[in-house]
Amino acid sequence: DVKVTQSSRYLVKRTGEKVFLECVQDMDHENMFWYRQDPGLGLRLIYFSYDVKMKEKGDIPEGYSVSREKKERFSLILESASTNQTSMYLCASSLWTGGAYGYTFGSGTRLTVV
Amino acid sequence: GDSVTQMEGPVTLSEEAFLTINCTYTATGYPSLFWYVQYPGEGLQLLLKATKADDKGSNKGFEATYRKETTSFHLEKGSVQVSDSAVYFCALRDLSSGSARQLTFGSGTQLTVLP
Repeated sequence: DVKVTQSSRYLVKRTGEKVFLECVQDMDHENMFWYRQDPGLGLRLIYFSYDVKMKEKGDIPEGYSVSREKKERFSLILESASTNQTSMYLCASSLWTGGAYGYTFGSGTRLTVV
Repeated sequence: GDSVTQMEGPVTLSEEAFLTINCTYTATGYPSLFWYVQYPGEGLQLLLKATKADDKGSNKGFEATYRKETTSFHLEKGSVQVSDSAVYFCALRDLSSGSARQLTFGSGTQLTVLP
């Protein structure tokens, strides 16, 4: 089974800090995604990537950036953390080939910005 | 564009009750359909999927049938358990759309099963 590993389950950071959320998948998946999940708002796509060094903005990219230097790793960066970025962050990966493939998700990182 | 509409939650049932969570979709082409489950504090896990019309996906006692004529993929379980308490997401992937690499998710339905 494909495994998607997010580096931290819980993080507490201070306002203004630069925050890195790391995601690694252990299969040869082309596509990787970052979502945030907030009560009543469902899943919102922040950024995604379909190849090394490629990135595409999702629905809510403001205040975030991403890095994909290697195929298996996709990092989400909060350049200057703010309290409204307190949320659950979910990483996912998928194959490109064929519509039958959905996503494999990591366990999530619950980030609190104080 | 593509969209997924799920029944509003939360849904509260007693143990051993019958469960239906409605899901309807709009899509440009012929999408693959998925149900994901999210247990408290966890990420989403694939529960079941169907890739063409009339396919039935099933797993852990849950079932859903891909109905092209009604553009629906309703999730059912004959007898729910307390351990089924979770948030359920319906999703589609449409290779003929401009965002073929992405899943389109519904808003999620919170299910609570009482003993």
